[in-house]
Amino acid sequence: DGGITQSPKYLFRKEGQNVTLSCEQNLNHDAMYWYRQDPGQGLRLIYYSQIVNDFQKGDIAEGYSVSREKKESFPLTVTSAQKNPTAFYLCASRDTTNIQYFGAGTRLSVL
Amino acid sequence: QQQVKQSPQSLIVQKGGISIINCAYENTAFDYFPWYQQFPGKGPALLIAIRPDVSEKKEGRFTISFNKSAKQFSLHIMDSQPGDSATYFCAASRGETSGSRLTFGEGTQLTVNP
Repeated sequence: DGGITQSPKYLFRKEGQNVTLSCEQNLNHDAMYWYRQDPGQGLRLIYYSQIVNDFQKGDIAEGYSVSREKKESFPLTVTSAQKNPTAFYLCASRDTTNIQYFGAGTRLSVL
Repeated sequence: QQQVKQSPQSLIVQKGGISIINCAYENTAFDYFPWYQQFPGKGPALLIAIRPDVSEKKEGRFTISFNKSAKQFSLHIMDSQPGDSATYFCAASRGETSGSRLTFGEGTQLTVNP
């Protein structure tokens, strides 16, 4: 069953803690993306990667970090520097026709 | 600034009616305009997309109208059904040199009453 798998579905962060959101794809796509979604707002780009071992900052990268060591995986770390991390986080990958396919998301809350 | 403005924020339509959602963009370098549909607690899914070399694209009950000179595009849902109730996002991107980054509108919450 091909697609984007995000885990966990729900995540809670304590004060001063870093947390990592997982994103795995088996679509053989080179490009992957992380978005943040807040209520009543569109999706905002955090980081993206067009190829393994390379990634670029999006519009709201502060307080986040990523890695792209494997084509299939693009984990996002929400660091303690991100003061307002509560949001719905979406991972996507892009095919050669420019279509982005999204995972089911991770909802992050602060304890 | 690369922005995409979407309206209305929410829309209520009766079953069988036409739903119309509008978007306007600023950057003339945008060359790909998709619409995504999102159900609560799920990730968005591509609904329909258009490139600026055509003025209209239709897929079933869904039509995109594109006005390049006005820098506007819209989604029309004909014969709207309760199952169409979802949040709709327009988006735009400007090619692989920029990573094919999508800039999203703010979203429209559509409710179709039975």
